[in-house]
Order: sequence, then C-alpha cells, then structure tokens
Amino acid sequence: KAGVTQTPRYLIKTRGQQVTLSCSPISGHRSVSWYQQTPGQGLQFLFEYFSETQRNKGNFPGRFSGRQFSNSRSEMNVSTLELGDSALYLCASSLAGSGNSQETQYFGPGTRLLVL
Amino acid sequence: GNSVTQMEGPVTLSEEAFLTINCTYTATGYPSLFWYVQYPGEGLQLLLKATKADDKGSNKGFEATYRKETTSFHLEKGSVQVSDSAVYFCALGSQGNLIFGKGTKLSVKP
Repeated sequence: KAGVTQTPRYLIKTRGQQVTLSCSPISGHRSVSWYQQTPGQGLQFLFEYFSETQRNKGNFPGRFSGRQFSNSRSEMNVSTLELGDSALYLCASSLAGSGNSQETQYFGPGTRLLVL
Repeated sequence: GNSVTQMEGPVTLSEEAFLTINCTYTATGYPSLFWYVQYPGEGLQLLLKATKADDKGSNKGFEATYRKETTSFHLEKGSVQVSDSAVYFCALGSQGNLIFGKGTKLSVKP
C-alpha cells in the first residue's frame, strides 16, 4: 500500500499571503489529522477530519482551516501568513481516528513552509 | 489536561551502548502510548505502541512498557547502532489526536 503523501514538499511564501497544502491518506483510511512542527513548540495538533467533517480541533487561530473530500484527501489552508507560521506541517491518516484512541496514525513526509 | 514529558537531549552514545529515553505522562483515563521516530528530513514513523497497562511494545530491538503506577513509558534498547540516530518522540493518544513530548535527539557515534 502506498503511504501518506503530501504536496508540495517545500514552499516559500511571504507574509500576508495564503497557502494550501495537500494530503492524500493511505487507501482505506478515512481520518486525516494535521500537525504543526516547530523547534520552539514541538508537535502540535491542528485538526482532524473524518468523512468530510472536522471532528477535532487544536488551539490554533481561525487563519488555519482545512477540509476533506469524499475520497478522504485533505487540504489545509493558512491565510494571512505570519513569520511564525514557518514550520513543518505533517499530515497523518488512520482508519477511524478519534473513534479509536488505540489506533496508529501514519504520517506523511511533511510540507516545509518558510514564510519570509 | 493530558500531557507528555520526555527527557530532552541531545543524547550522544557510542555504538553498542545501552539506550534509555525517559517518558512520563499525565492523563485521565487509560490512553494508548506511542513512540515515534523521525529521521532527518522525514516525517514520523511509528516505532512501537502499548494500549493498556503492563503492555510491552517492541520493534527493531526497542522496547517500552506501559507502567500505570509510575505513569511512564520509557524507551530502551540494549545495543544502539549508528543507524538509530534520529529524534524520538513519546506520544499519548487522546480523543483521536496525539499529544507529543518535545522529542529527544539521539546521536550514535561509531
């Protein structure tokens, strides 16, 4: 089975712009979660989508949003970029997500975003 | 709220040395516990997990035991290799998302 894929792998944007990142989960997985990784804050949960619905949300401002399509692919969008949004954005997929806390999440390679 | 505390590195060991990375957690209920590993330039890979008290997760020579009485999930390996150099994250499964520790960077010298 193909793993979780994320595109693009690298992005450079300037402050004030917006960006869209894409994630394709493992085939058959219906839950997609997004995480932000920075040297200062570590790994932080952004949100989880399951069957096209946002099921859980972390403590991030409304500039961070996402959606999920009927094929389980997910996108996240960050509007009005700030310097502090520079990070590695990781996507993870699982079969049922928050429906089962024992479930393993499988991570993609991430999208590295640099905001100038 | 739920949280994970793990020893911060970096940790530098010689090849074939014994490894311990400490991880403790605070949680309500009975969460699942995970160790993930991140190699340079890559995403996270599951190393091992345990879903209930006294479970031992193991993989590639790494082990960790879910200790409810000490709220710990320490990672151990008897003999590390250069290829084990990476960042290791302890995580707690909580309501469908993972709460991570800060990560421990391990460097293994030949």
